[in-house]
Amino acid sequence: DTGVSQDPRHKITKRGQNVTFRCDPISEHNRLYWYRQTLGQGPEFLTYFQNEAQLEKSRLLSDRFSAERPKGSFSTLEIQRTEQGDSAMYLCASSLEGVGDTQYFGPGTRLTVL
Amino acid sequence: DQQVKQNSPSLSVQEGRISILNCDYTNSMFDYFLWYKKYPAEGPTFLISISSIKDKNEDGRFTVFLNKSAKHLSLHIVPSQPGDSAVYFCAASARGGTSYGKLTFGQGTILTVHP
Repeated sequence: DTGVSQDPRHKITKRGQNVTFRCDPISEHNRLYWYRQTLGQGPEFLTYFQNEAQLEKSRLLSDRFSAERPKGSFSTLEIQRTEQGDSAMYLCASSLEGVGDTQYFGPGTRLTVL
Repeated sequence: DQQVKQNSPSLSVQEGRISILNCDYTNSMFDYFLWYKKYPAEGPTFLISISSIKDKNEDGRFTVFLNKSAKHLSLHIVPSQPGDSAVYFCAASARGGTSYGKLTFGQGTILTVHP
C-alpha cells in the first residue's frame, strides 16, 4: 500500500512533555499538509509544505508547534510543552501539484495530553 | 468565521433509499469542492470532488451537485448501503493565489443507513 502513513497512531503524554509525529506522504506527491481535528469538528488547517519549503502556517500553530520536511519527503510535527488543549487527532495529507488538488489523508495520530 | 457549514449534524436513511447531504459556503474564492468520508479513529477518505466550472459530477453511486449562485453543494448517494454509515465532511479550497489548496472543512454530518 503506498498511501499516506503516520506514526505513531496513538500518543499519550503528560502535560509539559514534548511529542513528535511523523508523516510519510504518497511518494510522488510534492505537497504536504497538516491538519488538526477535535471532537465534533472538521479538520482544521495547520501548515503546508511544497517540497521542503514551509509556505504557510495557520494562526492555530502557536510557537510551541514546529514542522519540518527536510528532504521534501517525510515530515515531522513537534509540539513542545504540551497542554491539555493540544489533545486532538493530528492528520497529514498529501497531494500532487497540477493534478487536481485532491488531498489524500493518512490515518492520523491521536494525541492525549494528561 | 465558519466558511463551510454542514447544518445537519446527522441523517438517518433506509437501505436502498437516497441519502442527500448538504453543504453551504460563504467564501466566493472557493473553486474546488470535495467530499470525504470518515470512520472513527481513521483519517478522511476521499469520495468525490467538483470544480467550480461544473455543476455536477458523478462517480458510481455518488453524485455531487454545485449551485454557485446559492453557494451550496450536495452529495447524493443512491442507493444507500449500510456500509455508507460514517461521518461525511464537505471541504472547499481556493486553488489560486497563495491559498496553496488548503482545505476548509465543514463540521461533518453523521450518516446512518439502516438495513
